[in-house]
Amino acid sequence: SAVISQKPSRDICQRGTSLTIQCQVDSQVTMMFWYRQQPGQSLTLIATANQGSEATYESGFVIDKFPISRPNLTFSTLTVSNMSPEDSSIYLCSPGGGTSTDTQYFGPGTRLTVL
Amino acid sequence: GENVEQHPSTLSVQEGDSAVIKCTYSDSASNYFPWYKQELGKRPQLIIDIRSNVGEKKDQRIAVTLNKTAKHFSLHITETQPEDSAVYFCAASTWTGGYNKLIFGAGTRLAVHP
Repeated sequence: SAVISQKPSRDICQRGTSLTIQCQVDSQVTMMFWYRQQPGQSLTLIATANQGSEATYESGFVIDKFPISRPNLTFSTLTVSNMSPEDSSIYLCSPGGGTSTDTQYFGPGTRLTVL
Repeated sequence: GENVEQHPSTLSVQEGDSAVIKCTYSDSASNYFPWYKQELGKRPQLIIDIRSNVGEKKDQRIAVTLNKTAKHFSLHITETQPEDSAVYFCAASTWTGGYNKLIFGAGTRLAVHP
């Protein structure tokens, strides 16, 4: 499986600020999936990013709040904007091919705490 | 849209017993079903997956069964050990019209007591 890294691994932020999370993969991948895992909860897909096109957002998530960049096939960023305590979660990236049988692995996650 | 239900939410077993976690899905077109194990403070780790062209898959103490007619699949762990204690998530693939994505169940917290 691909080696996936995320930065930062954790952060504590003040409300109203923004944080950009980076995800790096050691091989080229078609799709980058971004998930949120709220404390004690399951994984919720935020959006899916394909290189060269705008990200596709899931219901309940908007681009102004979670802008995503996908400048190339090995890298992506997710920004959490204008943060509130409700944004305190673990954010995980997961590269994939977007086909029905692609195996998906997860990055180590970014643990975000908003005060 | 696709919905995945997972039961039970918590499961407590004695070491050496078997554990079974069940999931149902709604999208009859789903054809890929992975299971992830998440230990405290760590990322979800893929432990086993099954594709719709098979009914059962086994890997040492772990097995997954799939019933496409009933739209449910199950994780079976035999001879449980304390290190099996974790949260387990099932997932099912669903086609969005442009790509496939995974929809996750709510998770099962498994506790294996020595």
